[in-house]
This record gives sequence, C-alpha cells and structure tokens, in this order.
Amino acid sequence: GAVVSQHPSRVICKSGTSVKIECRSLDFQATTMFWYRQFPKQSLMLMATSNEGSKATYEQGVEKDKFLINHASLTLSTLTVTSAHPEDSSFYICSARDTEIYGYTFGSGTRLTVV
Amino acid sequence: GDSVTQMEGPVTLSEEAFLTINCTYTATGYPSLFWYVQYPGEGLQLLLKATKADDKGSNKGFEATYRKETTSFHLEKGSVQVSDSAVYFCALSDYRDDKIIFGKGTRLHILP
Repeated sequence: GAVVSQHPSRVICKSGTSVKIECRSLDFQATTMFWYRQFPKQSLMLMATSNEGSKATYEQGVEKDKFLINHASLTLSTLTVTSAHPEDSSFYICSARDTEIYGYTFGSGTRLTVV
Repeated sequence: GDSVTQMEGPVTLSEEAFLTINCTYTATGYPSLFWYVQYPGEGLQLLLKATKADDKGSNKGFEATYRKETTSFHLEKGSVQVSDSAVYFCALSDYRDDKIIFGKGTRLHILP
C-alpha cells in the first residue's frame, strides 16, 4: 500500500533556530500533501496544503513566514519551522492523498521540542 | 461547512467487550468516510473507509457502515483487545475541496 515517510521522528532544537521536517511519498506521486499540527490529547489541525510546483495554501491563523512549506517534487514536501520558540513545540504530521486507495495516507509524525 | 462529531472519551472497556464509537457527520455533498487510528507517539493509520451510502468498511475486526439516512458512521468491534488501545478519529472527505475533516478523536483504553 501507499507509504508516506516522515523524518525526523523526533527533534529537539534551541529557541531561535530553524528545523526542517521532510515528508516523502515512497511508492506513489503526490501532487498534494497536507501538514497538520496536533496538540496533546487534541485532534489534528490542518496548517497548510502543499501543492507541487506552486505556493502552499495556508489555513487561517497559520503564519506562512514561520512555517515555510516547499513541495519541489511529486514525492517530497518539506516544512521548515523558522526561528522556533517553545510554543511551536508540538506533534507535526504530514499526509498525502493517494488516488489509488481513494484516501489519505499519513506520515508517522514528528515530535518537535523547542528548548 | 462540513463537520464530524464523534463521542468524547476516554472510553474504558475490559478485554473482549463490545465496542461502539459513535460518529455523525454533516456534509453538503456525498463525502467519503474514514476511521483512522493513532497509537501513542505515532501518526495516523487508516483503519477502514466507505465511499458511498450503505458501504461497510472493515479491517482487523472493526467495521463501520455508511448510513446516509442517519448521517452516521459508527465504529464497532465485537471483542476488543488490549492492543486496540489508541485514539480513533472519524473523518470525512469531499474531494471537491480536497480536504479531510476530522472529528476530535476518541481515546480508547482496554483493560486486561
């Protein structure tokens, strides 16, 4: 079945630094990928929709200059958290739409801790 | 807009008990419906899905039927195991706007 690989699974960074999270579709092409943020014991909040070859579409309230999204190829989207602060600590999950299964496949998530 | 409402947890059951997690939806079109499961510290895994009315999705002993008349997609399992302890998300997707909408999730604890 479709697999989405997300790296790293955990990252700890210092406040003020930037962190890049990668999301790859391993056996299918994904023209659209999605980035979510999940707070403890809460549901997923859609942050942005990443479109291959074009600018990402951000949800209301999400700072596009802080959460940079690049979808340079049909199999790779990256989320860069710039100038990270402790309040950015969260669980970030990517997903891609798989037209074969007519559903969405999720990465395993990245636990970001900003100290 | 479209929305998903699922029963709030946590739900605590003993092993081998019968499980039902209720899910209802609101949608203007004809969405596909999903159940995802999230184990501790992991991403979401698709558990089952149904793409049209009266379809039944099933996987690993779980099943859910797409009921258009009651706008529901309740998750059931006849005999739960400790390993089923996780958070379960009901979701819908209307491909007209290429988004998936999640319920708030239901945390399930199964006691041995």
